[in-house]
Amino acid sequence: AQSVAQPEDQVNVAEGNPLTVKCTYSVSGNPYLFWYVQYPNRGLQFLLKYITGDNLVKGSYGFEAEFNKSQTSFHLKKPSALVSDSALYFCAVRGPSSNTGKLIFGQGTTLQVKP
Amino acid sequence: DSGVTQTPKHLITATGQRVTLRCSPRSGDLSVYWYQQSLDQGLQFLIQYYNGEERAKGNILERFSAQQFPDLHSELNLSSLELGDSALYFCASSAQGVGETQYFGPGTRLLVL
Repeated sequence: AQSVAQPEDQVNVAEGNPLTVKCTYSVSGNPYLFWYVQYPNRGLQFLLKYITGDNLVKGSYGFEAEFNKSQTSFHLKKPSALVSDSALYFCAVRGPSSNTGKLIFGQGTTLQVKP
Repeated sequence: DSGVTQTPKHLITATGQRVTLRCSPRSGDLSVYWYQQSLDQGLQFLIQYYNGEERAKGNILERFSAQQFPDLHSELNLSSLELGDSALYFCASSAQGVGETQYFGPGTRLLVL
């Protein structure tokens, strides 16, 4: 079965420092991986995705993610964190069937950026 | 703004009741997905429709049902509500194709008292 794990419930980082939010996955076949962000009382906003190609994916708001097949990881990164980046981040993998795009989500990681 | 709309934003009801949540996908998107977000279960896929037909089903309870209409809007019906059904219900839509991005609506917060 396909699954996603986000090993950290919360990540704390100082403003201006680089941030990493970790994600590992387990899939059969080629993984389609996604990152979403959720601000309080809001829906999920798409940040970026990996389908194929370059292992370094660039997304919205200065975020990027590195796909590592050997480590089955897809960590989200940003070179310089902003206080406004504080939110709940979800990693997701597309489900196993080829005719459905249903997403399987990790449990989420709260990012806290302190001034 | 993702372009996906959901109504109502909030819903408060009593156990045993039935409610209907509505979703309008982004213009041109044929796929609609429903997800439930709760503190204990996290974000769980419920069901997907593609151009009016059910495409995939997750751990959706038998008390829950959905449909997608010819104008592509979708409704999620929740019946015989229980306290544990209290959650945030999201709708998402996507274009056809492998790896297409799902865009989420703002959600409907359901509280069952």
